Amino acid sequence: AQSVTQPDARVTVSEGASLQLRCKYSSSGTPYLFWYVQYPRQGLQLLLKYYSGDPVVQGVNGFEAEFSKSNSSFHLRKASVHWSDSAVYFCVLSRTGGYKVVFGSGTRLLVSP
Amino acid sequence: NAGVIQTPRHKVTGKGQEATLWCEPISGHSAVFWYRQTIVQGLEFLTYFRNQAPIDDSGMPKERFSAQMPNQSHSTLKIQSTQPQDSAVYLCASSLGGGNTGQLYFGEGSKLTVL
Repeated sequence: AQSVTQPDARVTVSEGASLQLRCKYSSSGTPYLFWYVQYPRQGLQLLLKYYSGDPVVQGVNGFEAEFSKSNSSFHLRKASVHWSDSAVYFCVLSRTGGYKVVFGSGTRLLVSP
Repeated sequence: NAGVIQTPRHKVTGKGQEATLWCEPISGHSAVFWYRQTIVQGLEFLTYFRNQAPIDDSGMPKERFSAQMPNQSHSTLKIQSTQPQDSAVYLCASSLGGGNTGQLYFGEGSKLTVL
């Protein structure tokens, strides 16, 4: 069975501070992992994706994520957040050969001035 | 590339009325997905089409909900006899292949409010 856990429903950080959003996954096959962001009243947009290779992947707007097979994790990071990063972030799992994706419950990020 | 287009963006219906939501996937994408998003349940898979054929509707409520994809350029989600619990944002997504890479392209959603 596949599952994705985002343990933090809400995270608040100050503008300019660093950020880590946590994601743990469980997959019986080779995982494909994604982070999507959802701004208010919009659909989900892809931030970054991991298929294989270098465990640290770079995304848009300065985001990066690190895949860890040993820890079954795919945490999202950013060195310095901006107020415009306030949004809901979803960790998403897919599996080779499958069409269904599994969404985490999302983490709402609030960047305070 | 216009992205996935969903119409209407907002729809308000009275209890018992019908609601039809439209989705235009990205040209060339062969897979179309429908999701429902609520604060309580989060993102729920509803149904999936590949090359216009219905592949999996396991997430669709068996009564009142139906989805079609009559051609490669649009899909519809119809809800008959809407109920207040159907209020949600309905998201359509498309992908290039069968979705086996998992990268989905989402529309901005259709917010349905049932009074």
